[in-house]
This record gives sequence, structure tokens and C-alpha cells, in this order.
Amino acid sequence: QKEVEQNSGPLSVPEGAIASLNCTYSDRGSQSFFWYRQYSGKSPELIMFIYSNGDKEDGRFTAQLNKASQYVSLLIRDSQPSDSATYLCAVNRGETSGSRLTFGEGTQLTVNP
Amino acid sequence: SQTIHQWPATLVQPVGSPLSLECTVEGTSNPNLYWYRQAAGRGLQLLFYSVGIGQISSEVPQNLSASRPQDRQFILSSKKLLLSDSGFYLCAWSGFGLAGGPVVTDTQYFGPGTRLTVL
Repeated sequence: QKEVEQNSGPLSVPEGAIASLNCTYSDRGSQSFFWYRQYSGKSPELIMFIYSNGDKEDGRFTAQLNKASQYVSLLIRDSQPSDSATYLCAVNRGETSGSRLTFGEGTQLTVNP
Repeated sequence: SQTIHQWPATLVQPVGSPLSLECTVEGTSNPNLYWYRQAAGRGLQLLFYSVGIGQISSEVPQNLSASRPQDRQFILSSKKLLLSDSGFYLCAWSGFGLAGGPVVTDTQYFGPGTRLTVL
């Protein structure tokens, strides 16, 4: 079992729809969770982080965390073609040294005009 | 604000040649620094991380090495490149920002990357 798993996609949604990206993790002691967006040929950029169970909203983005189910998701409302990218889920396993993150392999999202 | 630089942006090297990639961070002090490699269409593989000058932890065995000669400088090296070393190399930092700007302390912020092709 991979430590962090994501559906590889590609996920295709029409413009204006809600895109739902999912991520599961294996280490029950994980403490913080991150979503990064990576455009083709570019480096990852942070979208959101979440530490507590429940929802966290930032503009069109909502992160949802369920530690009991070891599940974190990212919802993108009113999807735009500019949202087309690969979305990486990352988990901090809570080690005291170095803030090491474990990344999933990413979900490729395409938003069709 | 904090800025992270990497150079070169692209590099084409023959098999067996040496490698040196450099990463520097501005606007922070005593950051944690990381080197990742991303193969085409794949996720990020952590290669090295450092919590201070001269302190390097290796995550995977390979023919690469890392050094941190200064607080905000991180270098990735190899004496002899292999074909399998091709990829997108990313440097990242985490820690505290100096003099303002929202920084989440355990969040990693990435540099622009170096695309390495070994022929």
C-alpha cells in the first residue's frame, strides 16, 4: 500500500462544474495535509493546507479532512480552464525533524471550456 | 518576502559527467531545505533534507550527494551521472519568514526547478 494514494486521472470536468480530487493516506499518525497545484513543466505551488477534521474554504477551493477515514479531498468550485493542472496531495507524518512531506503521484485535471 | 532560486533551469549532460545544482533561499533564516526529484509523469521523490548547516539526511541510496555550506544554500552533486538521473529536480524550503509575510512553518515552498537530461 502506498503511503499517499491519489487517483491518477485524468479527471475531466466542464467549465463551471465542481472538480473533486481525492487522497488517502496510510499513516494514522499524520498531522498535516497539503494540496499543491503543478502546471506542466513548472514546480508545485501551494493551494491549501489543513490540520483539523472538517472543511476549510479559501475562495473557490475547499479542503476536507477526515482523519478517522484517513481521507483528504480538494473541491474546486466553478472550475476554470486555468485550473487544468496536476494536483498533488502531501502528508506530514508528524516527525519532529525536518517537516518531511510524503507526496502522492498526483491527479491530472482538465477543465474543458 | 521569501524567494527561492535554483540554477541552472535546464541542463543536458553526458553519462559519466559530474553534476552540481544550486539552490538559495532569501528572506528566511535557518530554513529546512529539501531536494526532490520528479520523473516524467510521476510524483515527487525526496532525495535529501537538511535542518542546518552541514546536517544532511539522505532518503534514498543513489549516486547523488548534497551539501549545505551556508545557512540558505543547498547543493546537489554527483561525481558520475547515470541515465536514470534524468528528471526534474526541485529544491524546497520550510520554516519561518523574516519580517512579515504569512509563512506556515511546516509548509514546503518550491523553487522553479532544474530539468536535467542525461544522454
